Amino acid sequence: GENVEQHPSTLSVQEGDSAVIKCTYSDSASNYFPWYKQELGKGPQLIIDIRSNVGEKKDQRIAVTLNKTAKHFSLHITETQPEDSAVYFCAASMTSGPSNTGKLIFGQGTTLQVKP
Amino acid sequence: NAGVTQTPKFQVLKTGQSMTLQCAQDMNHNSMYWYRQDPGMGLRLIYYSASEGTTDKGEVPNGYNVSRLNKREFSLRLESAAPSQTSVYFCASSGKLPVNTGELFFGEGSRLTVL
Repeated sequence: GENVEQHPSTLSVQEGDSAVIKCTYSDSASNYFPWYKQELGKGPQLIIDIRSNVGEKKDQRIAVTLNKTAKHFSLHITETQPEDSAVYFCAASMTSGPSNTGKLIFGQGTTLQVKP
Repeated sequence: NAGVTQTPKFQVLKTGQSMTLQCAQDMNHNSMYWYRQDPGMGLRLIYYSASEGTTDKGEVPNGYNVSRLNKREFSLRLESAAPSQTSVYFCASSGKLPVNTGELFFGEGSRLTVL
C-alpha cells in the first residue's frame, strides 16, 4: 500500500521568511496530493492540493510542487505570518480507476512555528 | 450546516471497557473515514466506508469495528479498550456527487484516554 514520508517534523522560521515542507510517496499510482493545516484543537483543513497532471500550483502565499518521476512533492509558504503557525500534513491517494476509494494516506506532520 | 459532528469530544475509559464513537455528516457525502492521530505518527486510517453499505480496513484496524448505519452516520467501536488506543480520533467525509474532488472534511476530534 501507499506510504508517505514527511520532513521535517518541526520547523521554526522568522516572520516574513519562507517555509518548505517535503514529502515522498511510494505508490506510483497515486494521483492526488493534498496539504492540510491543523490548528490547535481543531480537525485538519485542506489548504491546497495538486493532481498528477500538473507540476506546480499556487494560491497567494502558498504553493505546491510535484515531481512524479522522483515521487515527491513540497509545500512552500512565502512571507510567513504568525497565523501560519500550525501542524501541516501532506497526503496521497488515488482518485480514479476501479480502486478509487478516496482514502488518503497522510505523512507524519510538520509543526511550523512562525516567530514574530 | 454543521459539517462533520463527532461525539463525545472527550472520554476516559478503563482497560477492557467498551465504547462507541459516533460521527454524522450533513453534506450528503458518499465516503466516510475514521483516523487516529498520535504524536509523531500523523493521521493513520483505521477504517473507511467508500459508500453506504460498505466498509473496509485501513492501516491500523486491529481492536476496532465500524458500522455505516446510513449515508449520514459512521460509528467506531472499541470492544475492549487498551492503553495503546489512547489517541485523538477524527472522523471525516468526502465525495459529494457528481464529482468527488478528493477533499476530506474533518470533525473536531474525540480525545480518548484508556487507563
